[in-house]
Amino acid sequence: DTGVSQNPRHKITKRGQNVTFRCDPISEHNRLYWYRQTLGQGPEFLTYFQNEAQLEKSRLLSDRFSAERPKGSFSTLEIQRTEQGDSAMYLCASSPLATDTQYFGPGTRLTVL
Amino acid sequence: GNSVTQMEGPVTLSEEAFLTINCTYTATGYPSLFWYVQYPGEGLQLLLKATKADDKGSNKGFEATYRKETTSFHLEKGSVQVSDSAVYFCALSEPPNTGGFKTIFGAGTRLFVKA
Repeated sequence: DTGVSQNPRHKITKRGQNVTFRCDPISEHNRLYWYRQTLGQGPEFLTYFQNEAQLEKSRLLSDRFSAERPKGSFSTLEIQRTEQGDSAMYLCASSPLATDTQYFGPGTRLTVL
Repeated sequence: GNSVTQMEGPVTLSEEAFLTINCTYTATGYPSLFWYVQYPGEGLQLLLKATKADDKGSNKGFEATYRKETTSFHLEKGSVQVSDSAVYFCALSEPPNTGGFKTIFGAGTRLFVKA
C-alpha cells in the first residue's frame, strides 16, 4: 500500500493559463474524490468518481473545471483559464466501496499569479 | 445541510498539558464522525473515527466519543507532546444520493505545543 499520490506537488501559473493535476489512488480503491482547501479552511468537496463514472459534482466546480478518471484508476483535474481565486490546495482522496473512510494524498498547491 | 463547527484556534499548550478541541455537528441521519490531522507540509491523515452513538474512537493517545444527545465529538488527549503540533479537523461523512460518501470538514484548529 503506497498511499494516494498527487502530482505535481506545487504549481505556479499565470492567470488565464490552463493547469492539470494528477491523482493516483490506492490501487484497490474504487472511489476517488477531489477536494479544495483554501488557507485557514477545511477541505471542500468538489467531485467524486466510482470507477470511471463521475457521480457527483459540487456547485463549487464551475464550468472551467473538469475531472476525468478514464480507466477507473488515476484521475486528472483540469482548470481552464485560471483565476487568482483558484489558488488553493487541491486534495485527492480514495476509498474502497465498503467504507466511508477516505485516504488523502499530499495535495497539489496551486498559485495563480 | 450538514455541517461541522469546531473551536477556533490557535490553541497553545505546554508539553504534558491536557488537550480538548471542541467539535459539534449538524446532520440528518447517523453519519460517521472523524478527526483528521494535518502536520506542517503534509497531507491529511485520519486520526480516529466513530460510526455510531456512544462509540469512542482512539489512536495515539487521542480519543473522542460520538455524543448524539449533544451532537458533539470533542477531541481529547491527556498529555500532549511537541510532536502533536498540527492542524486538527473534525469531519462527518455525508452520503450523496448517488452512493459513496463525501466528507464535510470543520475549519480546523491549529495546535501549538511548547516544550
